[in-house]
Amino acid sequence: EAQVTQNPRYLITVTGKKLTVTCSQNMNHEYMSWYRQDPGLGLRQIYYSMNVEVTDKGDVPEGYKVSRKEKRNFPLILESPSPNQTSLYFCASSLSGRRGLGYGYTFGSGTRLTVV
Amino acid sequence: AQSVTQPDIHITVSEGASLELRCNYSYGATPYLFWYVQSPGQGLQLLLKYFSGDTLVQGIKGFEAEFKRSQSSFNLRKPSVHWSDAAEYFCAVGAWGKLIFGQGTELSVKP
Repeated sequence: EAQVTQNPRYLITVTGKKLTVTCSQNMNHEYMSWYRQDPGLGLRQIYYSMNVEVTDKGDVPEGYKVSRKEKRNFPLILESPSPNQTSLYFCASSLSGRRGLGYGYTFGSGTRLTVV
Repeated sequence: AQSVTQPDIHITVSEGASLELRCNYSYGATPYLFWYVQSPGQGLQLLLKYFSGDTLVQGIKGFEAEFKRSQSSFNLRKPSVHWSDAAEYFCAVGAWGKLIFGQGTELSVKP
C-alpha cells in the first residue's frame, strides 16, 4: 500500500532530551516535508526536501533539524526539545512536477509530541 | 508576503444544504492551489487541486472549487452536504516544495 509512515504515533519526552521522529515513504516521491499543527494556527511548514541531500527551511524551522540521505526517509530531529514544541507533527511526500508539488502532498497519520 | 486566509473559522450547515468555504491567498505568481480535509484524529486527505486550465475543478466526495484570479480566491463548494462531511477543511497554496496552509474551517453538519 502506498503510504507515508511516521513513527512514533505518540511521544512524551522531557525538555532537552534529543529525539528523532522518523518518516518513510514507499512511493518514490522526490519531495518530502514536515509540518506542525497547532490549534488556531493551521499547519506550518518546518522543512522540506526536493530530493536527496536537498533541503530548505519552511516557515518555522527554529529548533528542528532534518536530513535526507535516502530518497525514502526524511527524519525530523529535535536536538533539545522545549515545551513550545509540543504539537502534532505531520510528514508528507509528493511527486515532483512542473514547479514541483505536481500532485499535492500525501500526508502521514501524524505524531503527537508532548514535551514536559 | 505569501499567505492564505480562510475567513470562516467555523461553519454550521444543515444536512442536504449547499456549502461554500472561502479561501483567499496572496502569492507572487499563480501558485498551485489545493483543498484538504481532516477528519477528527486523522491525517489530511487531498480533496482537489488546481494548476492551470479550467478554473472550475472537480474533486473527490462531490466537492468542487473555483479559481478566480482577479479575486485571488479558491473557494470550495458542495451542492448537498452529508453528515459525513463534518471535518476541518484546509486551503493551501504553493509551488516547488513550499506549501502554505490556511488556518482551517471547521464544518459542522446539523441533522
